Amino acid sequence: DIQMTQSPSSLSASVGDRVTIPCRASQSITIYLNWYQQKPGKAPKLLIYAASNLQSGVPSRFSGSGSGTDFTLTISSLQPEDFATYYCQQSYSAPWTFGQGTKVEIK
Amino acid sequence: EVQLVESGGGLVQPGGSLRLSCAASGFTFNSYAMSWVRQAPGKGLEWVSAVSGSGVSTYYADSVKGRFTISRDNSKNTLHLQMNSLRAEDTALYYCAKDKGYCSGVSCLIAHYWGQGTLVTVSS
Repeated sequence: DIQMTQSPSSLSASVGDRVTIPCRASQSITIYLNWYQQKPGKAPKLLIYAASNLQSGVPSRFSGSGSGTDFTLTISSLQPEDFATYYCQQSYSAPWTFGQGTKVEIK
Repeated sequence: EVQLVESGGGLVQPGGSLRLSCAASGFTFNSYAMSWVRQAPGKGLEWVSAVSGSGVSTYYADSVKGRFTISRDNSKNTLHLQMNSLRAEDTALYYCAKDKGYCSGVSCLIAHYWGQGTLVTVSS
């Protein structure tokens, strides 16, 4: 099985900050990496698919990059509504594993 | 508008069984793979199982293989998860999710839309 690692598990940032969230796969997954945002008590929401494709309706301050084993989710200017937990997920092969999540907290 | 509504969760004793359902609307159900993803209280997301649009191909996480069975009724736009031999570690909120359809079949599963989840608690 492909292991997905997200570190750190949490980070603190201020409104307006540029935030980068890394994700690493245990083997190459080419571009098959997706990012989800989850707020407390809510279902996850798809943000980015296939490494860098912005899901329709998602603000352009979110972007994704990377290929192979190393990927990054970037929030160019953090907004109050962006404080949440972010998960990466590989869709290269079954089982389609998730990372442990990175919680973005208010500094 | 895509809607996914899960039902069937509840409290069950260890070793017991439960059948979850997900009623889908707003899209051509048989054209998309579907998944179940769970989240234990205070924990992260765990993909559990997936089924192709036709229902022919099914996939399971190792943690549930042999105990859970995914199925779909395309005539009723409904997804099911039959859960047997339940354990305390199966306690979680179970989400139904629709694939984005970016690739053919289930070759690259992307959870595009999610339901609100149904809670399964396994405890004596």
